[in-house]
Amino acid sequence: RKEVEQDPGPFNVPEGATVAFNCTYSNSASQSFFWYRQDCRKEPKLLMSVYSSGNEDGRFTAQLNRASQYISLLIRDSKLSDSATYLCVVNMGGGSARQLTFGSGTQLTVLP
Amino acid sequence: NAGVMQNPRHLVRRRGQEARLRCSPMKGHSHVYWYRQLPEEGLKFMVYLQKENIIDESGMPKERFSAEFPKEGPSILRIQQVVRGDSAAYFCASSPRLNEQFFGPGTRLTVL
Repeated sequence: RKEVEQDPGPFNVPEGATVAFNCTYSNSASQSFFWYRQDCRKEPKLLMSVYSSGNEDGRFTAQLNRASQYISLLIRDSKLSDSATYLCVVNMGGGSARQLTFGSGTQLTVLP
Repeated sequence: NAGVMQNPRHLVRRRGQEARLRCSPMKGHSHVYWYRQLPEEGLKFMVYLQKENIIDESGMPKERFSAEFPKEGPSILRIQQVVRGDSAAYFCASSPRLNEQFFGPGTRLTVL
């Protein structure tokens, strides 16, 4: 089983749609959680951290369920510029407790 | 505030040559991380360094790969005697004391 698992997609949605991505992680001792986005052949860019109480940043809402070891990202009112690969990222707390473990990503294409 | 800088952006080497990848962290960041992204795969942690110290190298291949972060100058990821399987995008990230890591544009290594 992968340490961080995501549905690879692709998700093709029309502009204005709401889309949700899910992610599960294997290590119950994981300490912190993030969503990054990665455009084709570019570096990952931090989208948002994910907090236990859930958090929102504009059109983006992230939720964490520690009991189920599940993280989600909701994008409302999708824009063309949201087209990217969304990476679920977990700090599993092992070793130096600084290394991030990346999911393989979920590809989103927003269509005009 | 300039972001994480990496150079070169593209590097072509023949089998058996050495590759040197450089990373300058964001100003004020003393933690540096190297990740590798193989084609069509997610990012994988390689090594975590602070100035003059390797903190966690649990993701580094046992042979041919080394990393340093000297007191002065950029962090260097060195790959000796490169093989075709080393072809990948190598991303450097940096962070302050907090957990969030910010990524550089990457170096794309191609081994012929």
